[in-house]
Amino acid sequence: DIQMTQSPSSLSASIGDRVTITCRSSQNINTNLIWYQQKPGEAPKLLIYGASSLHRGVPSRFSGTGSGTDFALTISSLQPEDFATYYCQQSYSSLSYTFGQGTNLEIK
Amino acid sequence: QITLKESGPTLVKPTQTLTLTCTFSGFSLSTSEVAVGWIRQPPGKALEWLTHIYWNDDKRYSPSLKSRLAITKDTSRNQVVLTMTNVDPADTATYFCAHLTTAACQFCYDFWGQGTLVTVSS
Repeated sequence: DIQMTQSPSSLSASIGDRVTITCRSSQNINTNLIWYQQKPGEAPKLLIYGASSLHRGVPSRFSGTGSGTDFALTISSLQPEDFATYYCQQSYSSLSYTFGQGTNLEIK
Repeated sequence: QITLKESGPTLVKPTQTLTLTCTFSGFSLSTSEVAVGWIRQPPGKALEWLTHIYWNDDKRYSPSLKSRLAITKDTSRNQVVLTMTNVDPADTATYFCAHLTTAACQFCYDFWGQGTLVTVSS
């Protein structure tokens, strides 16, 4: 089973800040890494796939980098609607598409 | 426009079998490179991938839950059914179904249902 570890688990930031969330896989997953955003009471929304490809309609302030085992999601300038929980997911292993434990992004 | 909606019981007793239905529109599960999956989220906790079924009836299950899960599809009715046996209070969660596309975004869940909260309690 591939394990996905996100850091930090929670993060406080201010409007306009640049923030980075990291995700590490327990084995090489190439660029088969997906990022989702989830707000309270809502279903997750797809942000980034293939580690760095922005899903249609997602603002360009979101970006993803990485390959192999280390990945990052960066928000270049935080907006009020960006405060949410972010999850990474690996889609490398067809046996199990595991999620990270989530990163809760809060307003400072 | 792709939509998915989960339905099923809101309360299930321990040891019983949980059956959830995902009814979808805007796509067909007979189209290649498409799948429908189930993901759950216990209250206040992280997402947990459970299973998905492909257009060709290929199925994948979480290794930790494989013995308790079954997923089937009814292409004519645009439905996918999840069955979980011998439920426990630890299975209390919001259960989401989601559309997975393989070609367009490398196996990502690009459309999700609203989720349904299932409580396991006697």
